[in-house]
Amino acid sequence: GQNIDQPTEMTATEGAIVQINCTYQTSGFNGLFWYQQHAGEAPTFLSYNVLDGLEEKGRFSSFLSRSKGYSYLLLKELQMKDSASYLCAVRGVNGETGANNLFFGTGTRLTVIP
Amino acid sequence: NAGVTQTPKFRVLKTGQSMTLLCAQDMNHEYMYWYRQDPGMGLRLIHYSVGEGTTAKGEVPDGYNVSRLKKQNFLLGLESAAPSQTSVYFCASSSGLAWETQYFGPGTRLLVL
Repeated sequence: GQNIDQPTEMTATEGAIVQINCTYQTSGFNGLFWYQQHAGEAPTFLSYNVLDGLEEKGRFSSFLSRSKGYSYLLLKELQMKDSASYLCAVRGVNGETGANNLFFGTGTRLTVIP
Repeated sequence: NAGVTQTPKFRVLKTGQSMTLLCAQDMNHEYMYWYRQDPGMGLRLIHYSVGEGTTAKGEVPDGYNVSRLKKQNFLLGLESAAPSQTSVYFCASSSGLAWETQYFGPGTRLLVL
């Protein structure tokens, strides 16, 4: 089956750097996504990793280690608008159907304080 | 270009009632998905479709049916609603390519009494 773990809540200060970790166990790993979801809104795409290493996109970076089943999302120069939930999602094989689906963690609620 | 739209935005049902949630996308995507999101559970896939006329079960398909009669539309039906189906329902679409993200609609908040 699929198992995706990430911290439930984090708090960080405006202007600081925060790292949100995600560990996973999955069958047929085929990529990892990070999404941002503001309260009451839809998830929006942040990053995609399929190979080991760091992907940088502006203030956001995402890292993947497939051998360790580990990823992190790094947010730099935090702004108040970064207060949101961050969802780790892994593409893997559904054990019952054999299909390639996206499996989501429960999300990490980040609060940015002044 | 509206992206992914969902109707209705909010609905209250009584146990045993039926309803259909409508999802529409204007990005010419082949793949469409229905998820539910519950506190502490994360997003879970209900059903999905890899093209017009096709549907497939996800992680939590029981109690739901779907149809994809047109490429741009994906319907989610609840034949006999139960309180356990109280949730926020998100529709998403994608091109189907492994590295392409899914684009989510704004969600439908459903309360079953």
